[in-house]
Amino acid sequence: RKEVEQDPGPFNVPEGATVAFNCTYSNSASQSFFWYRQDCRKEPKLLMSVYSSGNEDGRFTAQLNRASQYISLLIRDSKLSDSATYLCAVNNPSGGYQKVTFGTGTKLQVIP
Amino acid sequence: DVKVTQSSRYLVKRTGEKVFLECVQDMDHENMFWYRQDPGLGLRLIYFSYDVKMKEKGDIPEGYSVSREKKERFSLILESASTNQTSMYLCASSLGAGVKVEQFFGPGTRLTVL
Repeated sequence: RKEVEQDPGPFNVPEGATVAFNCTYSNSASQSFFWYRQDCRKEPKLLMSVYSSGNEDGRFTAQLNRASQYISLLIRDSKLSDSATYLCAVNNPSGGYQKVTFGTGTKLQVIP
Repeated sequence: DVKVTQSSRYLVKRTGEKVFLECVQDMDHENMFWYRQDPGLGLRLIYFSYDVKMKEKGDIPEGYSVSREKKERFSLILESASTNQTSMYLCASSLGAGVKVEQFFGPGTRLTVL
């Protein structure tokens, strides 16, 4: 099983819709979680960090479910500008270091 | 704002050449990372460094080496470039404190090896 798994999509949703992505992780000792947004041919940019149960920032909500070992990202009222790939990242303690593992991303296309 | 810069946005090199990719961060971060990103494979960690002159192998270190002589600068070296090293290379940095280890990325270097 991969350490971090995401559905690659694409998720094609109309403007104004609500869309949710899940990201599953395999290590129950994972301590912190991140969502990044990556536009085509650009670098990943941090969208949200989650250290406890969840986090909310405007239209974006991240929820952590430790029992089932997944983290979700909910986007409300989707905008055309939300079209991007969303990467999940999970932080695990590893040999004295904090090792962050990234998923391969979920592609979102918001259509007019 | 954290700023991570990389020396080149695009590079074209020939097989067998020695290639240097440089990364500089301006936020006094302890940790620095080099990844490559390929379609369908996601971000793969090549090397990371948690302090000056310290380095650790990531998941795919073969064919690469690194140097960290100053805290703000982390260099990736391809000793003898090969066509399978054609990729997008991303540098990142993060604080070393606790679990708040958000990584901040540079703009990337798209390397083509002919």
